[in-house]
Amino acid sequence: EAQVTQNPRYLITVTGKKLTVTCSQNMNHEYMSWYRQDPGLGLRQIYYSMNVEVTDKGDVPEGYKVSRKEKRNFPLILESPSPNQTSLYFCASSLSGARTEAFFGQGTRLTVV
Amino acid sequence: SQQGEEDPQALSIQEGENATMNCSYKTSINNLQWYRQNSGRGLVHLILIRSNEREKHSGRLRVTLDTSKKSSSLLITASRAADTASYFCATALRHSGYSTLTFGKGTMLLVSP
Repeated sequence: EAQVTQNPRYLITVTGKKLTVTCSQNMNHEYMSWYRQDPGLGLRQIYYSMNVEVTDKGDVPEGYKVSRKEKRNFPLILESPSPNQTSLYFCASSLSGARTEAFFGQGTRLTVV
Repeated sequence: SQQGEEDPQALSIQEGENATMNCSYKTSINNLQWYRQNSGRGLVHLILIRSNEREKHSGRLRVTLDTSKKSSSLLITASRAADTASYFCATALRHSGYSTLTFGKGTMLLVSP
C-alpha cells in the first residue's frame, strides 16, 4: 500500500531536549516536505526536498533541521525545542513537487513543555 | 505565506444538500488542488485542476477554476455525514518553480444527518 509513515504519532517533550520525527515513503517519490498546522494559521511549510541531498527552506524553517540522505526518508530534527513549536506536524511526498498530488502522513502531535 | 483563501470558513448543511466552497488566490498558478482533512488526521488529496482546465469532476465532486478571477470552487453534491471534514485548497505557484504547495486555512464542513 502506498503510504507516508511518520513516527511518533504523539510526543510530549521538555524545552531544549533534542528530538527527531521520522518520515518514510514507499512510493519512490523525489519530493518530500514538512508542514506544521496550527489553529487559525492553516498549514505552513517548514522545509522541502526536491531530491536526495537537496533541501530548501519553506515559510517557517527557524528552529528546525532536515536531512535527505536517502530517497525514502526525510527526518525533521528539532535541536532545541521550545513551547512555540508545539504543533501538529505533517510529512508529505509527491512524484513531482507541486505539479502532482501530495500524499500526507498521519501527523505527529508534538507538545513542548 | 498564505496564497489560497477559502470561503466560507465554516459551513453547516443537512445530509442530501450540496456544499460549495470557494478558494481565491493571488498570483499565477500551475495547478490548484483540493484536500480533505478529517479531524486531526492527515490530508487526503481530492482533485487537481491545472491552469488550462476550467472544470473537473470526480464522483460527487466538481471543481471549477477561473484563472481570470483567480478563484476556484469545490462542489460536493448530495452531501453525507461522512463528508464532515475540513477542506483545503492548495496552489502551485509559478514563481516558486512549482516547488511548493501553498495551502489556505480551510473550510470546516459539518453535514448533519
